[in-house]
Amino acid sequence: DQQVKQNSPSLSVQEGRISILNCDYTNSMFDYFLWYKKYPAEGPTFLISISSIKDKNEDGRFTVFLNKSAKHLSLHIVPSQPGDSAVYFCAASAKVGSGGGADGLTFGKGTHLIIQP
Amino acid sequence: DGGITQSPKYLFRKEGQNVTLSCEQNLNHDAMYWYRQDPGQGLRLIYYSQIVNDFQKGDIAEGYSVSREKKESFPLTVTSAQKNPTAFYLCASRPTGAKGYTFGSGTRLTVV
Repeated sequence: DQQVKQNSPSLSVQEGRISILNCDYTNSMFDYFLWYKKYPAEGPTFLISISSIKDKNEDGRFTVFLNKSAKHLSLHIVPSQPGDSAVYFCAASAKVGSGGGADGLTFGKGTHLIIQP
Repeated sequence: DGGITQSPKYLFRKEGQNVTLSCEQNLNHDAMYWYRQDPGQGLRLIYYSQIVNDFQKGDIAEGYSVSREKKESFPLTVTSAQKNPTAFYLCASRPTGAKGYTFGSGTRLTVV
């Protein structure tokens, strides 16, 4: 039972255009969401996050949108650059004390973003 | 510089042998985690530890063991009971109260 879903295994975008990566979740106890970026043979690095009390968070070229009613979040990258080519993981954290084990992050399967010149 | 170090970066193991992957952090983080990454599978939790001398099984703990004798160290042993050990292994840590993890650079384990 996947609680965090990234339904697009890969996405190809032209350099300079907008990249939109999507993530859906099923657990209503999630209250904090993060995006990580991962290059091959390296560990994931934190990119941007959003709390459930907000619907948007922006950091430079990266913006995350949260739609709680739809249990959906998206990461927008504008403009896309060649160095953005990587696997992007969506992750979610549940409210403390909500139970469910790890008290840590639940990850999606990732979306491989390819920026074409 | 504070960080989380995994060693070695590449590891080869013969079938039937146990092997231990190292994870050390100098971030003073309380919680530490081990994940496994396989193509198309994302990150799957193996074990985690929230304090010294305590650890819990994650979603795919079978065939693995861990210890947490020191706050800085959380080694993972891949035993011969693990049916398909070839994978990329990631260690992470998190301070109490924080939401995000800091990841190590990973260890690629190959069974030959």
